[in-house]
Amino acid sequence: EIVLTQSPGTLSLSPGERATLSCRASQTVSSFYLAWYQQKPGQAPRLLIYGASSRATGIPDRFSGSGSGTDFTLTISRLEPEDFALYYCQQYVSSPYTFGQGTKLEIK
Amino acid sequence: ERVVESGGGLVQPGGSLRLSCEGSGFTFSGYSLNWVRQAPGKGLEWISYIDSTSFAKYYADSVKGRFTISRDNAKNSLYLQMNSLRAEDTALFYCARGKGDGRYAFDIWGQGTMVAVSS
Repeated sequence: EIVLTQSPGTLSLSPGERATLSCRASQTVSSFYLAWYQQKPGQAPRLLIYGASSRATGIPDRFSGSGSGTDFTLTISRLEPEDFALYYCQQYVSSPYTFGQGTKLEIK
Repeated sequence: ERVVESGGGLVQPGGSLRLSCEGSGFTFSGYSLNWVRQAPGKGLEWISYIDSTSFAKYYADSVKGRFTISRDNAKNSLYLQMNSLRAEDTALFYCARGKGDGRYAFDIWGQGTMVAVSS
C-alpha cells in the first residue's frame, strides 16, 4: 500500500498570500496518477488537479500542481477567501487508491 | 453530469445494507466508478473500484470479503453490497466517477449517503 503523508497538518495564512501544500509518498508514484482535491464543510470533495499538474475543468489558474517521484506540491498563488478548506492528495496508480490525511488551510 | 447516492441508514452490527448510485448526464458505461467513505470528522478513505465492464474490481483491505461492488450499465447504476457491518463502518459514503475507464482521478462526486452502524 502506498502511504501518502501531507504536510503541514494545518496551514494558517491570510488572503492574498501564497500557499504551499506538500504530499509525500512512501514509494514512487507516476505523475500521471496523483490528484489533489478540495473539500469544504458539508460538501463533497472537488477535483482540483490530476496527473500531478493538470487543472480540472473550471479550476482557477491560481491553483497549480507540481512534483514527481515521491514528492508533490499543490500551490495556491494568491489565496481567495473561498480557498480556505481541507485539501487531500490521492494516488490512483495502484490499489488501494489511497488518500493523504489532509491539510487544513485556515484563515490567519 | 451528476451522480446521486441512496440507500444509507441505521443498521445493527452484523447487519447488511445495499447502497446505490445513479448517474445522469453522461455515458455511464464509459467510466470507471468508485466508492469513497468519510467517517465523522475524519479524512477520505477509498473503498472500492469497478471498471466500465465490471471486469476489474478492487477493494480496500478494511472491507475485503464483506463488501461487494457491482454495476448495471443498463440502469446507469452502481451498487455497494455491505455485509457484516461494524461500528467502524459508520461513515458518509460517496460515489465518485473516474475521468475515464481505468486509473483516473475522481472528477464527479455525489453528495453522499450516510451509514450508521449501531445497536
